[in-house]
Amino acid sequence: EIVMTQSPATLSVSPGERATLSCRASQSVSTNLAWYQQKPGQAPRLLIYGASTRAAGIPARFSGSGSGTEFTLTISSLQSEDFAVYYCQQYSSWPPKPFGQGTKVEMK
Amino acid sequence: EVQLVESGGGLVQPGGSLRLSCAASGFTFTSYGMSWVRQAPGKGLEWVSTITGSGGGTYYADYVKGRFIISRDNSKNTLFLQMNSLRAEDSAIYYCAKCPQGYCSSAPFVDYWGQGTLVTVSS
Repeated sequence: EIVMTQSPATLSVSPGERATLSCRASQSVSTNLAWYQQKPGQAPRLLIYGASTRAAGIPARFSGSGSGTEFTLTISSLQSEDFAVYYCQQYSSWPPKPFGQGTKVEMK
Repeated sequence: EVQLVESGGGLVQPGGSLRLSCAASGFTFTSYGMSWVRQAPGKGLEWVSTITGSGGGTYYADYVKGRFIISRDNSKNTLFLQMNSLRAEDSAIYYCAKCPQGYCSSAPFVDYWGQGTLVTVSS
């Protein structure tokens, strides 16, 4: 079974700074990786799929990269509304796989 | 605009039943697989069940197999989750989730989420 590991668990960033979140797979998932954002009290929202394709309506400051086992979500200039928990999820095979444990991005 | 609106959550005793509904709009409902994903308080996200666009194929996570039944009424653009023999560990927010293709198995991720409905199993 493929295990996904997100790091760090918590990332402290100041508004305007760049945030870099990591997601690692225990074996290759090609580019079958999605990133989601979840704000407190809200449903998750799809940010990125195919490792690097932004979902509809997602601002350009969010970018995804990577393939195989190493993936990165970058928020180029953190806005106040970006403080949230971010989950990665690999979807290289069926049945659906667990979401990652999440990275909380908090204000520094 | 895609909208998914869940209803039917609430407080139920262990061993009881609940039926969740999800009213969908803004897309051709029959063309897309649908899922239920849940999140226990303070915890991460976990898949519960999926159903194909036609309703002919279903999937259940092991922890709900034999207790939950997913279904859909394509004439009413509505997804359902019948939850029986509920346990305390089923307590969670249940999200209605749209798959990006007709078969969730083709691309098992979620492109749109509902706002969720809270299920609490407690005596």
